[in-house]
Amino acid sequence: EADIYQTPRYLVIGTGKKITLECSQTMGHDKMYWYQQDPGMELHLIHYSYGVNSTEKGDLSSESTVSRIRTEHFPLTLESARPSHTSQYLCASEGLGYEQYFGPGTRLTVT
Amino acid sequence: KQEVTQIPAALSVPEGENLVLNCSFTDSAIYNLQWFRQDPGKGLTSLLLIQSSQREQTSGRLNASLDKSSGRSTLYIAASQPGDSATYLCAACSNDYKLSFGAGTTVTVRA
Repeated sequence: EADIYQTPRYLVIGTGKKITLECSQTMGHDKMYWYQQDPGMELHLIHYSYGVNSTEKGDLSSESTVSRIRTEHFPLTLESARPSHTSQYLCASEGLGYEQYFGPGTRLTVT
Repeated sequence: KQEVTQIPAALSVPEGENLVLNCSFTDSAIYNLQWFRQDPGKGLTSLLLIQSSQREQTSGRLNASLDKSSGRSTLYIAASQPGDSATYLCAACSNDYKLSFGAGTTVTVRA
């Protein structure tokens, strides 16, 4: 059973607020990912990390930023939330066999 | 850029019937092909991972095949149950180790 956690699970916030979505894993995985998913649509990679102090932007342009100071922790920050940021955000980590393990997701609504 | 397509977008079957879910991808230079299950409002659960050198992978009632040359993978679920109702996503892992996802097939198994 994979142990990867995301908080909060649901967040409703006003335009212009700064928010941080938390993601933690206890498996010691080096590779971690953030995906964005709109209802009924495919997942899009927005950020990834191959280890501590490594962060890269994904294929989908995003106004968010990430950091990786500790192996187990990969938070995503939006400096100024907008209604266009309303979506589900999924965090994942990858094991040695290239299998990805996903957290439960954060459903963000920006009003 | 890898494009992944899943057809049909939705499927409804009576309990006990076998399920056949299709996935196609445009770039055959993949590292592996992964199938996931997603329940409403939840994250993804890994079902099967097929390496590029393999033709199929089995786990219980699930069997996935891979034909790289034609850019296709098929997920078979035998003797479907109401608990199999979910959205099933396939993802092609490119040689840069990033996943490209399809939009999924939403399955309803009627009791």
